[in-house]
Amino acid sequence: EAQVTQNPRYLITVTGKKLTVTCSQNMNHEYMSWYRQDPGLGLRQIYYSMNVEVTDKGDVPEGYKVSRKEKRNFPLILESPSPNQTSLYFCASSPAKNTEAFFGQGTRLTVV
Amino acid sequence: QKEVEQNSGPLSVPEGAIASLNCTYSDRGSQSFFWYRQYSGKSPELIMFIYSNGDKEDGRFTAQLNKASQYVSLLIRDSQPSDSATYLCAVNMFSTGGFKTIFGAGTRLFVKA
Repeated sequence: EAQVTQNPRYLITVTGKKLTVTCSQNMNHEYMSWYRQDPGLGLRQIYYSMNVEVTDKGDVPEGYKVSRKEKRNFPLILESPSPNQTSLYFCASSPAKNTEAFFGQGTRLTVV
Repeated sequence: QKEVEQNSGPLSVPEGAIASLNCTYSDRGSQSFFWYRQYSGKSPELIMFIYSNGDKEDGRFTAQLNKASQYVSLLIRDSQPSDSATYLCAVNMFSTGGFKTIFGAGTRLFVKA
């Protein structure tokens, strides 16, 4: 089944404790991205990747890191999480630029 | 001014009616436009995309694009209670790194049985 898989689905952590949210797609898509979704603000792009080893900042990259060492994986790293990073996170992939996005199931992160 | 704007709603329509959802965008160079549906607690799923001016129909859904006026709309005919969800408008815009996708904040739709 074609899908984008995120893990974990739910995570509660403490301020400053490094964490990684994994994202993997099995559709051989070149383009992958991370979004956060907050009430009233909609989906905001954090980082995106056009291909392996090619990443760029989205609209809200502060406090996040990403890497794209393999085409299928695009992990999101929070080196020192803070409470304002409490949010619902989505990973998405697209077959090419200017095409629709396929979303993962989402990761609900709470930083206390 | 937000790059992609939607009325947050909620928009309430009776079952069987036409629901009309609107979206405006700021970048005249935008190339592609998408409507996603998102149920509460779930991930967005694509309903329709449109690239050219005019109408595009798919079943009960019609997307309309007017690049001169910089708006895109979604019509849902014969609305059903199962259509109750948040509808997200998304616009792909060119950026220095390639392109970026900007989402509107979404319009909540309620279809009353």
